[in-house]
This record gives sequence, C-alpha cells and structure tokens, in this order.
Amino acid sequence: QKEVEQNSGPLSVPEGAIASLNCTYSDRGSQSFFWYRQYSGKSPELIMFIYSNGDKEDGRFTAQLNKASQYVSLLIRDSQPSDSATYLCAVIGGTSYDKVIFGPGTSLSVIP
Amino acid sequence: DGGITQSPKYLFRKEGQNVTLSCEQNLNHDAMYWYRQDPGQGLRLIYYSQIVNDFQKGDIAEGYSVSREKKESFPLTVTSAQKNPTAFYLCASGRPARLKQPQHFGDGTRLSIL
Repeated sequence: QKEVEQNSGPLSVPEGAIASLNCTYSDRGSQSFFWYRQYSGKSPELIMFIYSNGDKEDGRFTAQLNKASQYVSLLIRDSQPSDSATYLCAVIGGTSYDKVIFGPGTSLSVIP
Repeated sequence: DGGITQSPKYLFRKEGQNVTLSCEQNLNHDAMYWYRQDPGQGLRLIYYSQIVNDFQKGDIAEGYSVSREKKESFPLTVTSAQKNPTAFYLCASGRPARLKQPQHFGDGTRLSIL
C-alpha cells in the first residue's frame, strides 16, 4: 500500500461546478496535511493546509480532514478554467516525521 | 524578496558528464529537499537535509550527490552514474518537518541529455 494515494484522474468538471479531490494516507500517526497546485510545466504551489479534523475554508477552497478514516479532501467551489492543474496531496507525521510524503497527484480539467 | 532560487532553468548534460544544479534560499529555512519529477508523474525524493552539514538519502538517491555547507545552499550533482537523468528537478525548503510546517518550492531546473 502506498503511503499517500490519490485518484490520478483526469477529473473533468464544468465551469461553475464543485470539484472534489480526494486523498487517503496509510500512516495513522500523520498530523499535517497540505494541498499543492501544479500547473503544467511549473513548480507546485501551496494552496491549503489543515491539521485538525473538520473543515477549513479559504475563499473558494475547502480542505476536509477525517483522521479516523485517514482521509483528506479538497473542494473547489465555482470551478474556473484557471483551476485546471494537477493537485498534489502531501502529508507529514507519524513514521515519516522528518520529510513530506507526496501523493501522485490528481489532474483536474475545468471545461468552459 | 524572500524565496527559493534554482539555476539554471534549463541544463543539458553530455554523456559521462557530471552536472550541478544550484538551489539557494533566503527564507532562513533549516530544511531543504530535492525532488525529481518525470513527465506525468508525481514527485520523488532524492535527498533532504534538516540541518547544515547533515543530509539523508531519499527514495532515489543513486546517481546523485548533495552537500549542505551553508544554511542557504543545497546544490545537487547529477553524476554520470545516473543513466536516465532527463527530468524536472525541484528544490524545496521549509521549517524542519517535525514542526509540521509546509515546504515551498523553487521554479525548477529542466535537465536533458545531449
């Protein structure tokens, strides 16, 4: 089992819809969770982080964490074509306390 | 402006040649990381360093070497032993991972074989 898993996609949503990106992790001791956005040919950019169970909102983005289910998600409301990118889930903590573990990423395409 | 600077943006390597990728940060971060990204793939950790004069191998260290003589600098050498070096190389820095803070990335270096 990989440490951090994501659906590879591509995930396609129409403009204005809610995009839902999912991530599961294997280390129950993990404590910090991050979402990065990576445009094609560019470096990853941090867009959200969450440490506690529940929801965290920042503009059109909401991160949701459920430690009991070892599941973290990213919701993008009112999706725009400019949201089309690959979204990377990243995790710190537990046995990997000295480094960040990245998932393989989910490709999102927002259709005008 | 504070940030992470990688150079060069593009680099070409000849057969049997070692090349060095530069990574400099002025964010006063203790931890620095090198990742490799192949087309359509995720990030793979090459080496990381939590403190000056100390570094650890990541998942794909073979054919690479690093040094951490200064807090600000973490250069990566791609040696001739790395037979398939063509990839996008990303440097990142952050607070030590045990502090559970995110890391931030430079703009990357694209390495190709001539």
